[in-house]
Amino acid sequence: SQTIHQWPATLVQPVGSPLSLECTVEGTSNPNLYWYRQAAGRGLQLLFYSVGIGQISSEVPQNLSASRPQDRQFILSSKKLLLSDSGFYLCAWKRTGSSYEQYFGPGTRLTVT
Amino acid sequence: AQSVAQPEDQVNVAEGNPLTVKCTYSVSGNPYLFWYVQYPNRGLQFLLKYITGDNLVKGSYGFEAEFNKSQTSFHLKKPSALVSDSALYFCAVRDPGSSGSARQLTFGSGTQLTVLP
Repeated sequence: SQTIHQWPATLVQPVGSPLSLECTVEGTSNPNLYWYRQAAGRGLQLLFYSVGIGQISSEVPQNLSASRPQDRQFILSSKKLLLSDSGFYLCAWKRTGSSYEQYFGPGTRLTVT
Repeated sequence: AQSVAQPEDQVNVAEGNPLTVKCTYSVSGNPYLFWYVQYPNRGLQFLLKYITGDNLVKGSYGFEAEFNKSQTSFHLKKPSALVSDSALYFCAVRDPGSSGSARQLTFGSGTQLTVLP
């Protein structure tokens, strides 16, 4: 079976500090990978998606970047955090093909102080 | 462009009563539709999807949803609600006829379901 991991689970960082959130998937190969941000416990905003190693598509211009150094690893980064970067960050994976559903990780709660 | 609307921010229902969480969509072609549930401080869990075929789809935890093309709706239902069903529910749509980033899932704003004991 497939599992998806995210860490850390919670993070408190000061404004201006760097960020690195990691997501890994087990039990599948060549997944599509996604980063979402959820603000105030509501709507999801797609930040980045990747269809393969080194292939990153950005949905929203912002202070964040993403990388996919390995097939089942997806990293969300920032060089300098802003207060507005606070939120709940969710990673998801999906099999290749548009009819498949996405499966989400447990999320990382980021608070920028 | 595809879009999805969940017209109710909050739905309250008594335990044992039937529940409905509403979702309407807009796509240029035939939609792929999904429902997810989110418990506090957790990731989203997949409940069910409509791709093609029977308009009534059954999913996890006794949930079902009915695809209605003429009304462009995909409402989530359950015959008898449980207190443990209380959570945030998201509808999502994908237009498989789109290309590039437009083929990604578009999520509704979510509906908070509260089942009262």
